[in-house]
Amino acid sequence: QVTLKESGPVLVKPRETLTLTCTVSGFSLNSRTGVSWIRQTPGKALEWLAHIFANDEKSYNTSLRSRLTISTDISGSQVVLTMTNVDPLDTATYYCARIETYASGGYYLYYFDNWGQGTLVTVSS
Amino acid sequence: DIQMTQSPSSLSASIGDRVTITCRASQIIASYLNWYQQKPGKAPKLLIFAASHLQSGVPSRFSGSGSGTDFTLTISRLQPEDFATYYCQQSYTISALTFGGGTKVEIK
Repeated sequence: QVTLKESGPVLVKPRETLTLTCTVSGFSLNSRTGVSWIRQTPGKALEWLAHIFANDEKSYNTSLRSRLTISTDISGSQVVLTMTNVDPLDTATYYCARIETYASGGYYLYYFDNWGQGTLVTVSS
Repeated sequence: DIQMTQSPSSLSASIGDRVTITCRASQIIASYLNWYQQKPGKAPKLLIFAASHLQSGVPSRFSGSGSGTDFTLTISRLQPEDFATYYCQQSYTISALTFGGGTKVEIK
């Protein structure tokens, strides 16, 4: 059974660094299966933040790239996202999700097929 | 980044109705389009990937179509458990994945 679970602080002060951990089970990262972080603001918009596959292949949201770092632990069972210099606009529910690859006719499509329950992070002084 | 525009932003429908939600991409994305359903307080759930492929376990009343820039999610006969918010998401650019703004389906 595939599961993902987010953990991290509920409240963070402006300008601090936010560290979130996604603990996964039931699958392993490889070249076609990875883990993404996605957030949802109180207004309900969904925003992809970053993802990581095996062999340390990573991608970041262009507008947040300078503030984000994604990594895995050596076992691959935890994926960590750090966000520096947080702002109240970073208040959101943060989800981790498994990202899978669908290959057909020479093209590769990526989708999020399993999600964690999400963790609400509030940025406030 | 590729912008995804959903319409309508909300709709009211009755049990048994046929419901259609549209998603338009700001550039051609072939069939790199996925659909999700989200219920209040829950994480999104994958319904459709690659524009028209039904995810395992999803009822067959859900279907997706389209390619290029225009896509549609159809619920053939709306059920009580289908009242939720639906999001499209493009994966044309693996390093810049984006979602639509959502369509809330409410009870009439």
